Amino acid sequence: QVQLQETGPGLVKPSETLSLTCTVSGDSIINDYWSWIRQPPGQGLEWIGDIYNIGSTNYNPSLKSRVTISVDTSNNQFSLKLRSVTAADTAVYYCARRGEGEHDAFDIWGQGTMVTVSS
Amino acid sequence: SYELTQPLSVSVALGQTARITCGGNKIGSKNVHWYQQKPGQAPVVVIYRDNKRPSGISERFSGSNSGNTATLTISRAQAGDEADYYCQVWDTSTEVFGTGTKVTVL
Repeated sequence: QVQLQETGPGLVKPSETLSLTCTVSGDSIINDYWSWIRQPPGQGLEWIGDIYNIGSTNYNPSLKSRVTISVDTSNNQFSLKLRSVTAADTAVYYCARRGEGEHDAFDIWGQGTMVTVSS
Repeated sequence: SYELTQPLSVSVALGQTARITCGGNKIGSKNVHWYQQKPGQAPVVVIYRDNKRPSGISERFSGSNSGNTATLTISRAQAGDEADYYCQVWDTSTEVFGTGTKVTVL
């Protein structure tokens, strides 16, 4: 059974960097496409980006200048860094797996972690 | 940028059929995925690639996609189907999610 778990600080100051990690169990991080998606309170879903083939990435153009997604194969984890955050980055952040490859549906999701940007 | 438009809310009587639309330019040429999200929970995919149902998802959920509209159909609606529903497609260089529809079962 594949499971994903997000970890990281729940509070980040404006202008700083948001850092989250997703730990994968039941599947190898070397396989598949792994993604970050966020949801501001009371709002809809926004795709942040994917990582695949260990180091290849796709990013949402609207966030691309501030985002880095990387993978740690030794711990079967992948991570998100979002730089220069503002209050608009306050959201529940989810990590997810694509079911069958590029552009496919997200079939497994983590439970999500709330990140608040505030001083 | 590509936009997906969904009705804000849909109401359905218990046991009846709910249809949730997702409008987008030539969406019929794209693969559409649908998610169900209950309060405080992560989304769950209920339909992928227009009309395919993941294992464990009730056969009461079905999907179609043609022209400028994709549709998620919930047959024989149950109280447990109350949730927000989102459509999703890939366009050019980004994933796009619909605006979301709140389904209420009366």
